[in-house]
Amino acid sequence: QKEVEQNSGPLSVPEGAIASLNCTYSDRGSQSFFWYRQYSGKSPELIMFIYSNGDKEDGRFTAQLNKASQYVSLLIRDSQPSDSATYLCAVLLNTGFQKLVFGTGTRLLVSP
Amino acid sequence: DTAVSQTPKYLVTQMGNDKSIKCEQNLGHDTMYWYKQDSKKFLKIMFSYNNKELIINETVPNRFSPKSPDKAHLNLHINSLELGDSAVYFCASSIDRGWPPLHFGNGTRLTVT
Repeated sequence: QKEVEQNSGPLSVPEGAIASLNCTYSDRGSQSFFWYRQYSGKSPELIMFIYSNGDKEDGRFTAQLNKASQYVSLLIRDSQPSDSATYLCAVLLNTGFQKLVFGTGTRLLVSP
Repeated sequence: DTAVSQTPKYLVTQMGNDKSIKCEQNLGHDTMYWYKQDSKKFLKIMFSYNNKELIINETVPNRFSPKSPDKAHLNLHINSLELGDSAVYFCASSIDRGWPPLHFGNGTRLTVT
C-alpha cells in the first residue's frame, strides 16, 4: 500500500464549480497534512496545511481532515481556469524524524 | 530576489559522466532538501540537511552525494550517471526540521543520454 494515494485524474470541472480533490494515507500516526499546487513545468508551492480533524478555510480553498478514515481533501470553490494545475497531497510521517511524503498528485482542469 | 535558487536549470549529459547541481537559499532557513520528481510526477525526498547536518538519507544510490558547506547551500553531486537518473531535481528549504518544505527552487531537469 502506498503511503499517500491520490487519483491522478484529470479532474475536469467547469469554471465556477467546486473542485474536490481527495487523498488517503496509510500511517495512522501522521499528524500534519499539506496541499501543494504545481503548475506544469513549475515547482510545487504550499497552499494549505491542516493538523486537526475538521475543516480549515483559506479564501476559496478548504482543507478537510478525517483522521479516523485517514482521509484528507481539498475543496476549491468558484474554480477558475488559473486553478488548472496538479495538486499534491503530502503527509508528514513521524518516523523518528519527520519526513514529508507526497502523493502522485491529481491533475485539475478548469474549463472556461 | 529569488528565495531558493538552483543551477543549472537544464542539464544534458551522457551516461557515465559526473555532474553537480547547486542550490542556495537566502531565507535564513535551517533545513534544506533535495527531491527527485520522475516522469510520472512523483516527488520523492532524497536528502535533508538541518544546519549542515544530514538528517534524512533515503534509499538513494551512493552515486548521489549531497554536500552542505553552510546552512544556506546544499549541493548535489552525482557520479557515473545512469539513464534512470533522468528526472527533475528540486531543492527546497524550510524554517527548521519541524516544518515541511516551504519554498522550492525552480528545478533542474536532468537528461541522461
